[in-house]
Amino acid sequence: DQQVKQNSPSLSVQEGRISILNCDYTNSMFDYFLWYKKYPAEGPTFLISISSIKDKNEDGRFTVFLNKSAKHLSLHIVPSQPGDSAVYFCAASAQKLVFGQGTRLTINP
Amino acid sequence: GAGVSQSPRYKVAKRGQDVALRCDPISGHVSLFWYQQALGQGPEFLTYFQNEAQLDKSGLPSDRFFAERPEGSVSTLKIQRTQQEDSAVYLCASSSLAGGVGDTQYFGPGTRLTVL
Repeated sequence: DQQVKQNSPSLSVQEGRISILNCDYTNSMFDYFLWYKKYPAEGPTFLISISSIKDKNEDGRFTVFLNKSAKHLSLHIVPSQPGDSAVYFCAASAQKLVFGQGTRLTINP
Repeated sequence: GAGVSQSPRYKVAKRGQDVALRCDPISGHVSLFWYQQALGQGPEFLTYFQNEAQLDKSGLPSDRFFAERPEGSVSTLKIQRTQQEDSAVYLCASSSLAGGVGDTQYFGPGTRLTVL
């Protein structure tokens, strides 16, 4: 049973526009959520996180939104840049991390 | 250290061989985690250490998998009698806290294991 789901395997966005990556979860015990970015042949790199007591966290071009009632979180990247092209994983924490399947983001010049 | 390091980066093993994968966490980090990532999937939890104590090994797929962290720093994941389904990237992560809200895990580059 997949507790964390990223339903879009891929997303293509034009440079300068907003990228929105989505993630749904089923376990209401999760108390901390993270987004990681992964380039080929590298480990996941931490991007941004949010506690379950908040509904928004912003860091530069990256904003994460949490909707607890819908068990949904999203990552907004604006403006999108070519270097943002990577696979993005959302993860939910109940001490250990439970990851989604990932979304491959491609930013087109 | 500057980050989590893992060695070797790549390992090819013949079916039935034993392998040992090493993880050097960020200096001073209390918690250490191992994950397995199959091709096209997200990482999946294997086991968790708090200092030298293995507090959760619920994700280890079989008794062929064994992990240790004897001095609370470096950790080794050992796989005995490797099988083809063990082929995956093995990721190590560490965090500064002993669990709880806001405990961000930082990952190493992973070891890609291929079993022939």
